Amino acid sequence: EAGVAQSPRYKIIEKRQSVAFWCNPISGHATLYWYQQILGQGPKLLIQFQNNGVVDDSQLPKDRFSAERLKGVDSTLKIQPAKLEDSAVYLCASSQFTGGTEAFFGQGTRLTVV
Amino acid sequence: SQKIEQNSEALNIQEGKTATLTCNYTNYSPAYLQWYRQDPGRGPVFLLLIRENEKEKRKERLKVTFDTTLKQSLFHITASQPADSATYLCYNQGGKLIFGQGTELSVKP
Repeated sequence: EAGVAQSPRYKIIEKRQSVAFWCNPISGHATLYWYQQILGQGPKLLIQFQNNGVVDDSQLPKDRFSAERLKGVDSTLKIQPAKLEDSAVYLCASSQFTGGTEAFFGQGTRLTVV
Repeated sequence: SQKIEQNSEALNIQEGKTATLTCNYTNYSPAYLQWYRQDPGRGPVFLLLIRENEKEKRKERLKVTFDTTLKQSLFHITASQPADSATYLCYNQGGKLIFGQGTELSVKP
């Protein structure tokens, strides 16, 4: 079974530039999550999708971050414009259902904003 | 607000000993908790899930307990090995999705 695929693996941009991350979840997984993990901290949920609908985006900084899930499968997360404090690893995960099931994580995209 | 807290200090133990990691939660009662392992440069990997009506769950050398009175989950690795060295994360996936900050475990030969 293929895992969660993310790209790119690394990205370095200047502040005020824009960047986009892509995620392909495990086939058949209805729930998709984007997390931000700052060095030394646990992952923080940015947005949760159930199929192509948003379940929770309460911690997504909507003035600069946006996310979509195309046809309930792939997802993209965009930051525009980026700030220095956005430097982090962005993790995508998927699970069969919401709640009570294991989440499968991709390797993440390490973003450095200079 | 809902919180999950883990020992922030790294845990250093000798090979063969039992490692015990703590996860405390406040201001809510999770229906279940999950434990994940994270190696440097990689995403978290699922280890165990325990539900609120389960006192204990085991998988090979791993054991998780869930005490709803103390609002605490303990994660044990028995007969620890250097390969167990990693960061371990406690995760609430019921209701608000919250990770603890993780505890770094180092097992010395």
